[in-house]
Amino acid sequence: GAGVSQSPSNKVTEKGKDVELRCDPISGHTALYWYRQSLGQGLEFLIYFQGNSAPDKSGLPSDRFSAERTGGSVSTLTIQRTQQEDSAVYLCASSLKAGGQGKETQYFGPGTRLLVL
Amino acid sequence: AQSVAQPEDQVNVAEGNPLTVKCTYSVSGNPYLFWYVQYPNRGLQFLLKYITGDNLVKGSYGFEAEFNKSQTSFHLKKPSALVSDSALYFCAVSPRNSGNTPLVFGKGTRLSVIA
Repeated sequence: GAGVSQSPSNKVTEKGKDVELRCDPISGHTALYWYRQSLGQGLEFLIYFQGNSAPDKSGLPSDRFSAERTGGSVSTLTIQRTQQEDSAVYLCASSLKAGGQGKETQYFGPGTRLLVL
Repeated sequence: AQSVAQPEDQVNVAEGNPLTVKCTYSVSGNPYLFWYVQYPNRGLQFLLKYITGDNLVKGSYGFEAEFNKSQTSFHLKKPSALVSDSALYFCAVSPRNSGNTPLVFGKGTRLSVIA
């Protein structure tokens, strides 16, 4: 079956513009996660959804970052007034079900490479 | 708070030799442990995980990892490295009884297999 898909694969924008990144999880996966991977850094957790709700927003780096998920499926990560330090690869992952108690495998998409000029 | 350490930024190994990529963790209680691999310009691919039971876990592409509770380690190993194994490897931890939590990742280890 299809894996996690993300679009666009690459995005170049000017400082101060808003961007929207899209994630399509594996069909039937109820949990969805956003991570950020900066050059030379590991993966930084941003936010996760269980269904359409986001019980943990602690990783969002500032109020310029927001995310939503509709219909328990597609999620959009929005970055407003982009800054150069927002340049990174944004990775989305999904996992099967609630109540997994941390043991469910997360499956990752190919990422969106964002460059803010 | 949980954390993962991958002490080596880079590991070089000759093709055909055994390889080890090190990972240690810190978490309260017993952990779930994962290894992922990232090829250039690709997302992360799941390799294997430790949930419970046998401390030696076998995964994709001939990789295995051993959970060592006393040393809080989960090193990734392969008996005979291939050039195609060259990639970035991430260890990750999730504490038990934590719901569908995000994984905490190490900073990654770049493996280079030389022909």
